[in-house]
Parts: sequence; structure tokens; C-alpha cells
Amino acid sequence: KNEVEQSPQNLTAQEGEFITINCSYSVGISALHWLQQHPGGGIVSLFMLSSGKKKHGRLIATINIQEKHSSLHITASHPRDSAVYICAVHLIQGAQKLVFGQGTRLTINP
Amino acid sequence: SQTIHQWPATLVQPVGSPLSLECTVEGTSNPNLYWYRQAAGRGLQLLFYSVGIGQISSEVPQNLSASRPQDRQFILSSKKLLLSDSGFYLCAWNGGDSQPQHFGDGTRLSIL
Repeated sequence: KNEVEQSPQNLTAQEGEFITINCSYSVGISALHWLQQHPGGGIVSLFMLSSGKKKHGRLIATINIQEKHSSLHITASHPRDSAVYICAVHLIQGAQKLVFGQGTRLTINP
Repeated sequence: SQTIHQWPATLVQPVGSPLSLECTVEGTSNPNLYWYRQAAGRGLQLLFYSVGIGQISSEVPQNLSASRPQDRQFILSSKKLLLSDSGFYLCAWNGGDSQPQHFGDGTRLSIL
């Protein structure tokens, strides 16, 4: 079993829908990242959080440390949101390193 | 502001040939540096990381090596490429433990 599990693996939705991507982890962490990878391969860091909730534009990330679970929400989704979304965690031991989930491929149709 | 440069963007190499991918960071000093690989249809895997000049930690046994000859330069190498070395290679940096990582644009490596 992977230390970081994401669901769903693939998600297709219509423009305007509310999107939720989930991430569960089984190890002790110091922080959790949500990353966005576009078709060309480049990766952008969306959020880093260790508690609570963060919001940036139409994106919201939440984390529940006790339940070892995080969610990424996209409101009013748009075709340009189509990308692979990756959850990654900094381990408490070995905090230099990130452990990645397998990614969620999101496709938003117009 | 800090920037990360990674090149080349794409590379096609024959099996058995050598490899050198370079990554440089500007606008910061003593960064942590990372090399990741993403095989087709798979998640990102950490290959090497470095917390200082000449300090390299390897995460997985493999056909590749890394070097950090200067503070802001990180090089990924191989003496003889294998077909299994194909993939998308990403360099990243951050300012310290548990800090956000910033990624380069990646190198898509195809081995023929």
C-alpha cells in the first residue's frame, strides 16, 4: 500500500461543476503539498499546508491531521483547470523529501 | 526572485550512451536540490537530493548518479543508459526542510 493515496485516479466533469480530489496518507507528516502538472509536464505548487484550510482564487485546500486526510476543491471549474493534481507530503522524519501520490487526472469539458 | 533552469527540455538517446542533465537555480543560496523521475503512467519518484555542495543522498538503487559541483548546480548523469531510464526528469529546489518545493520545467528523456 502506498504511503499517499489519491482518489479518484481520473475525473471528468462539465464546466462549472464543483470538484473534489481526496488524499489520504498513512505516515506522520510535517506538511502536505498540492501540486498541479500540466500536459507539458511542468509542475506548479498550489498549496502547502499543515493544518486547517487555505484558499486561492477558485481553489481551496483542507487538511485534517487527526484523520490523515486532505482535500482539494475547485469551484466553478473551467477547461483550463484540466491537469493532473498531485498530493505530496513531507515526512516528519526525513523532511527534506516529498512522498507523492499517484496523481488525479482531471478533465473539464466545456 | 528565484528561478530554476533545467535543460535540455527533450532528449533522445541510444541505449548505452552517456547522459548529463543540468539544473541551476538563481536568486538563492544553499538551496536543497532534488532530482525526480516520472515514468510513463507512474507517479513522481525521488532519485537524489542534496543539502549542500558535494553532498548527495540517493533514494533508490539505479543506473544514475548525481553531483553538485557548485552551490546552485545539480547534475544528473549516467555512464550507460538503459531502456528503463526513459521518463520525465524534474529538478526542484527549496529553502530548507518542509519548505515548498519549486520545480523546473522537466526533461523528457527517450531511450531508443
